Amino acid sequence: SQKIEQNSEALNIQEGKTATLTCNYTNYSPAYLQWYRQDPGRGPVFLLLIRENEKEKRKERLKVTFDTTLKQSLFHITASQPADSATYLCALDGFSGGYNKLIFGAGTRLAVHP
Amino acid sequence: DGGITQSPKYLFRKEGQNVTLSCEQNLNHDAMYWYRQDPGQGLRLIYYSHIVNDFQKGDIAEGYSVSREKKESFPLTVTSAQKNPTAFYLCASSISVARETQYFGPGTRLLVL
Repeated sequence: SQKIEQNSEALNIQEGKTATLTCNYTNYSPAYLQWYRQDPGRGPVFLLLIRENEKEKRKERLKVTFDTTLKQSLFHITASQPADSATYLCALDGFSGGYNKLIFGAGTRLAVHP
Repeated sequence: DGGITQSPKYLFRKEGQNVTLSCEQNLNHDAMYWYRQDPGQGLRLIYYSHIVNDFQKGDIAEGYSVSREKKESFPLTVTSAQKNPTAFYLCASSISVARETQYFGPGTRLLVL
């Protein structure tokens, strides 16, 4: 069956460290993968998009990798700050239920402690 | 200020009642979407519309209805047929097709009295 999985357990890290979040998928062949940030009670906000022919994408303190062989994307936040605390969602383009759509993972909650 | 607005922020529904959630965008996007978010689950697609006067069912359309009479507006009605409506509802839009980056509204939390 088709699945997109993110670690359901919260990730707790110390301020200044690098946070690494994982997104794994099965039985999809996405052309690209996206990462969103969601704060409690708010809508998700787009962060980064990485295409299947790109190994890595960076934006300020954020870095995303995409390994189509492992069927995995890693999302890194370097020099993390308490303000980075949020839930991070990955999403891929997939064909499911008879049409193309964005398919979202359940998200991983990140807590950065001072 | 361009963006997506949703109202109300909180909505209470009585048993047997239909309620309508508003979604408006001024981004000039063709495509709009409604998602439902439950704790511990990914966003699930309820309905989507790629163009005015056309919309399609998503994965969990039963108990919901939509209209798309204007490009800017995509209201969602939660009907009495939806037996478990308590959730966080998110509206989103994208420039065109579903595979591109989506821009989300602030959400509406629906609670059942």
